[in-house]
Amino acid sequence: KNEVEQSPQNLTAQEGEFITINCSYSVGISALHWLQQHPGGGIVSLFMLSSGKKKHGRLIATINIQEKHSSLHITASHPRDSAVYICAVNSGNTPLVFGKGTRLSVIA
Amino acid sequence: DSGVTQTPKHLITATGQRVTLRCSPRSGDLSVYWYQQSLDQGLQFLIQYYNGEERAKGNILERFSAQQFPDLHSELNLSSLELGDSALYFCASSVSSGQETQYFGPGTRLLVL
Repeated sequence: KNEVEQSPQNLTAQEGEFITINCSYSVGISALHWLQQHPGGGIVSLFMLSSGKKKHGRLIATINIQEKHSSLHITASHPRDSAVYICAVNSGNTPLVFGKGTRLSVIA
Repeated sequence: DSGVTQTPKHLITATGQRVTLRCSPRSGDLSVYWYQQSLDQGLQFLIQYYNGEERAKGNILERFSAQQFPDLHSELNLSSLELGDSALYFCASSVSSGQETQYFGPGTRLLVL
């Protein structure tokens, strides 16, 4: 079974800072997902990627398949980015395996 | 709004009781997934249905069962509830059954007293 590790567990940043959240997994995968869980509990899918890099607004996700590692970057962070960011992986049609999440607080 | 609906939003019940959580997927989505999120375990996959058939099973307790109906909505039944079953239960849906984006519902917060 895949083990998914995220770092850091908690992160506090000042508004405007560049933020990086890391995700490592133990076994080869087909796809990696980044999810955002709002303080109210709702979960939104941010990215699904299997290679390279994807960008959406101020969010950038990269993956290195050889190193079994992915990063989520947030540029020009804002207090509304405060949330828990969760990495999840799957192989083929296997169910998602989740990391424990990174809790981000952005202070104005 | 993901287009996935879950009811109820909150549920408070007692140990030993049985509850049913309901999920309606996005229009056109054939797969429904159920997840449990507790404070100490994080998100855990419970079960997946695809077009009415069970497709994959995770760490779902024998006291829990689920089904997907012909109109594609799904229900998760939790019985003989224990304190440790208190958690957020999420439903997600996707178009088919492969590796693709899943759309999450708002969750049902279950508290067992």
